[in-house]
Amino acid sequence: DAKTTQPTSMDCAEGRAANLPCNHSTISGNEYVYWYRQIHSQGPQYIIHGLKNNETNEMASLIITEDRKSSTLILPHATLRDTAVYYCIVRVNYGQNFVFGPGTRLSVLP
Amino acid sequence: NAGVTQTPKFQVLKTGQSMTLQCAQDMNHEYMSWYRQDPGMGLRLIHYSVGAGITDQGEVPNGYNVSRSTTEDFPLRLLSAAPSQTSVYFCASRVGQFSGNTIYFGEGSWLTVV
Repeated sequence: DAKTTQPTSMDCAEGRAANLPCNHSTISGNEYVYWYRQIHSQGPQYIIHGLKNNETNEMASLIITEDRKSSTLILPHATLRDTAVYYCIVRVNYGQNFVFGPGTRLSVLP
Repeated sequence: NAGVTQTPKFQVLKTGQSMTLQCAQDMNHEYMSWYRQDPGMGLRLIHYSVGAGITDQGEVPNGYNVSRSTTEDFPLRLLSAAPSQTSVYFCASRVGQFSGNTIYFGEGSWLTVV
């Protein structure tokens, strides 16, 4: 599975959009981009995933560049409860295991 | 709607003691796995199972044993606990080996080995 690079930490003002970047320059054509988050002391939680097209659900939007070498997770109106570590994972859809790197620690500030 | 249930939530062990972390899921998922998470780090895969009777090693399997006698349960055994095994342990499940995009995690088990 391709390796990902994320910033160690980010801050965001409450009510503003949080844009979390992820670089995956070695991604293969059949690998998906997944985002999970882990709120303090809890198990990780699925947010969204995509292959080529931009995706949106009730939690977030995922923007994937045309060359698929990077992506951005967007939380449109961040709240204090969105403070968490966000993991960007790249894997084939039928792969066995998810590999979690250190992720980005997002702090939403009042 | 229990999902993935882990017990115990907190445990303190002495070096050399053995114990079992329990994990159960009620979603009829074929695939289950155990991760450990050390401070400031991501999750590392210990062992996983693609179905009852089938287990395999992950990234950091040393010091841990698993078995999968039923679809629902996937216990993790520490035969002789060491301080290096002090960590938070997460059990997870998903639909199947070649399907299922979403992993469901338990709430974690905090283990301290003194």
